[in-house]
Parts: sequence; structure tokens; C-alpha cells
Amino acid sequence: GEDVEQSLFLSVREGDSSVINCTYTDSSSTYLYWYKQEPGAGLQLLTYIFSNMDMKQDQRLTVLLNKKDKHLSLRIADTQTGDSAIYFCAESTGNQFYFGTGTSLTVIP
Amino acid sequence: DVKVTQSSRYLVKRTGEKVFLECVQDMDHENMFWYRQDPGLGLRLIYFSYDVKMKEKGDIPEGYSVSREKKERFSLILESASTNQTSMYLCASTPRRGWGWNEQFFGPGTRLTVL
Repeated sequence: GEDVEQSLFLSVREGDSSVINCTYTDSSSTYLYWYKQEPGAGLQLLTYIFSNMDMKQDQRLTVLLNKKDKHLSLRIADTQTGDSAIYFCAESTGNQFYFGTGTSLTVIP
Repeated sequence: DVKVTQSSRYLVKRTGEKVFLECVQDMDHENMFWYRQDPGLGLRLIYFSYDVKMKEKGDIPEGYSVSREKKERFSLILESASTNQTSMYLCASTPRRGWGWNEQFFGPGTRLTVL
């Protein structure tokens, strides 16, 4: 499969911004995604970006895509304790998805 | 709402047992997937299926098999469970084929422990 890399852990204080980074290898990826996994649950789609876009904003979430460097980031503004979860980036090529290792975000009150 | 359900949330089995993990989706999705999730390794694809009776190997199919006799149901089978198959197993489905945008809908996961 393709390589999708993320750092494993991130801690932020409540109210601060969180930035979760991801690098991928497949330059033919059409869509890139961010999924959230809360404790004891499956993954849920948070947001996605088409590969011809640089940025996408959705309320507190901002996705940045640097296609040249194959780098994707997710910024969460005003991070809340409810944002504590594991965040996965993923890329899709055709019908297959390739997921990163996941970043465990801990929000400190 | 799309619903993907998995037969068990927690399962404990002994080495050498045959294990069945069942997944059902209720939205007539064409594609179904089985992943295992391990800390630090993320999600790794075991098998996927585009249609009834069709299956494709993912990245780590060894020790597993699958069955898709009906469109809504995708089963993962561990023929002879081993301790290194202790993991969280996630089932997912997507509504269409092709190269466009697609969202994977996940079940809640089955945490399997093999003793």
C-alpha cells in the first residue's frame, strides 16, 4: 500500500489551535480525507479536500494541502475537550483508501 | 443515516479456534472493507469486496479469508486464530465504485483477543 505518515501524539490546551500533519507518497491521489475516531468507536469522516485545491475551511476546521510536498494538515481552531480523539488522514486512489497511522490528540483543560 | 453494524464489540477466543466476524450495512453499498487497527500502525486493509461473491486481497490477507454471499453482509474469517491476530477489527463500506469522491462508513469495531 501507499505510505501515509503522521506523528502519533499531540497535546494542546483547551482554547488553543491544534495542527495535525500528514505526509503521503501517492501523487495520483484524487481526494484526501480527515477522519476522527472517538474512544471505543469507529471512524467518522470529518472533512476532505480535492487534490486540485490548496485549502478548505469548514467552521473550526481548516485543511491545507501542499501537493508539491505531498503534505496535508488539519487545523482545529479553539480546540475543545470534545476534540480529544485519534485523527487519521487518508488518501484514495480509485476504490482503495490508504490511512495514516493516526494522531492521538489530547486536549488539556 | 447509513448504518454499519458488527456482530460483536468484544470477543475472546483461544488459539486455533475458527473465528467469524460479521459486518452488515443497510444502505445498499457496493464496496465493503475489513481493516485491522493496531497502535502505531494505523489501519491496515485485510480484504475488500466490490460486489457479491467478489473479493480482493488487501495489504495483510495472510491468516484471513472473507465471504460475501449477500450484498449487505461481509464476513471475515480467521481459520485458526493466533495470538498475533489480537487486534481491533473495523468494517467499512462505500456507496459507489469509480474514481470520484467517496466516503467510507465505519462500523464500531470488534476488539478481538486471542489467548
